[in-house]
Amino acid sequence: GENVEQHPSTLSVQEGDSAVIKCTYSDSASNYFPWYKQELGKRPQLIIDIRSNVGEKKDQRIAVTLNKTAKHFSLHITETQPEDSAVYFCAASRSYGNKLVFGAGTILRVKS
Amino acid sequence: GAVVSQHPSWVICKSGTSVKIECRSLDFQATTMFWYRQFPKQSLMLMATSNEGSKATYEQGVEKDKFLINHASLTLSTLTVTSAHPEDSSFYICSARRDTNTEAFFGQGTRLTVV
Repeated sequence: GENVEQHPSTLSVQEGDSAVIKCTYSDSASNYFPWYKQELGKRPQLIIDIRSNVGEKKDQRIAVTLNKTAKHFSLHITETQPEDSAVYFCAASRSYGNKLVFGAGTILRVKS
Repeated sequence: GAVVSQHPSWVICKSGTSVKIECRSLDFQATTMFWYRQFPKQSLMLMATSNEGSKATYEQGVEKDKFLINHASLTLSTLTVTSAHPEDSSFYICSARRDTNTEAFFGQGTRLTVV
């Protein structure tokens, strides 16, 4: 089955700096890759996603890149703010809306 | 937007008892619901996929007789943790989607504590 690895497990950055979180997946049939932000005790919130026919997608300060050949995808947050502090999860699925296999998560701390 | 609600948000039960968690799609009909479990400081792990009107499909290692899933209507799926033990204490989250190739929306989660 699918296996998703996520790095780093924790990431501390200074406010205004960029943050990058990387994930790799194993199932070549996966073609949908969402990123979620989760605050303590809350539901995961979809912040951006990418499908396998696209190499990069951007939404304001957040961008995701996908290298399907290498089976890895990354989340980029620019101009980080304290409210970006949360746990971020990558995930992979064989199709949009299908069951998700999650990475282990990254605790992002933005220091002001 | 699509709203998925779970009830209760948190529950404490005694070891050996059963607990039922509800997942409702409030403004759409969900043909499929997914149940995930999240232990403290860990990731979400899929437990089972539930399609309306049919038996749930459980992931490897998840005991179907312990975690009973019912999806009797297009707006409601239930997860019953039977004979709960302290190691079942976790955050249980459902997600629901209208149809294939549509977004699955998460519920707010249910914090189960077994004492």
